Amino acid sequence: ELKVEQNPLFLSMQEGKNYTIYCNYSTTSDRLYWYRQDPGKSLESLFVLLSNGAVKQEGRLMASLDTKARLSTLHITAAVHDLSATYFCALIQGAQKLVFGQGTRLTINP
Amino acid sequence: SAVISQKPSRDICQRGTSLTIQCQVDSQVTMMFWYRQQPGQSLTLIATANQGSEATYESGFVIDKFPISRPNLTFSTLTVSNMSPEDSSIYLCSVSGTVNTEAFFGQGTRLTVV
Repeated sequence: ELKVEQNPLFLSMQEGKNYTIYCNYSTTSDRLYWYRQDPGKSLESLFVLLSNGAVKQEGRLMASLDTKARLSTLHITAAVHDLSATYFCALIQGAQKLVFGQGTRLTINP
Repeated sequence: SAVISQKPSRDICQRGTSLTIQCQVDSQVTMMFWYRQQPGQSLTLIATANQGSEATYESGFVIDKFPISRPNLTFSTLTVSNMSPEDSSIYLCSVSGTVNTEAFFGQGTRLTVV
C-alpha cells in the first residue's frame, strides 16, 4: 500500500527566506504531483514529476524528484506572503487514483 | 486540460437528509474520482466512478452511504446519504487525463451538516 508522508506539517517563515518541503513515499509510482490549496478553495496544480531527476520550476517554487530515494522536494526561494497556503504532494496508485500526503500548511510573515 | 464544473459549491443541510453533488467535465474521460477532505485534513479517495459499471469504493466507504452515478463519459454525481455532522467536509471530483498529464479537480463542494 502506498503511503505518502510530508514534512514539516506546519511551517511559519519570514518573507525573503528559503525553505524546503519534503515528500517521502513508500512504493514506486509513475507520477508525483504537487498542489496548492488556499483556505476554502479547491486544489491548484503546481507540478507533475514523471521521472528520476526531474526538476520543474515556476516562479519562486521548484520541485524535484528522486525516485531512488522515494523523495520529492518543493523548494521555496525568497518567500513572499502570497505563497501562504497548504501544499500537498500526491502520487498515482493503480488506476490513476491519487494518494495524498498530509499537507504542509505554510504561513509567510512580512 | 479539462475544465470541471462542480455544484453546488456549498450547502448547509439538516442531519438525516441527503445531498447530491454534480460534476460535469468538458471532455470525455474514462474515470472520475470523488474525494473527501475533512476539516483541516488531507484528501481521501471515496470511490472511482466508472462509466457503464458500478463504482469502486475505497475501504471505509460504502455504496449505501455514498451512492454514485456515472451515466456518461462527462458527468457523475455523488450523493451523501442520511447525513450527520461528521459528514461535514469538502467533497471534490477529479479526473485524470491521458498518461503523463495532470489530474484536475473541480471547485469542490463545502458541505456543512447541522
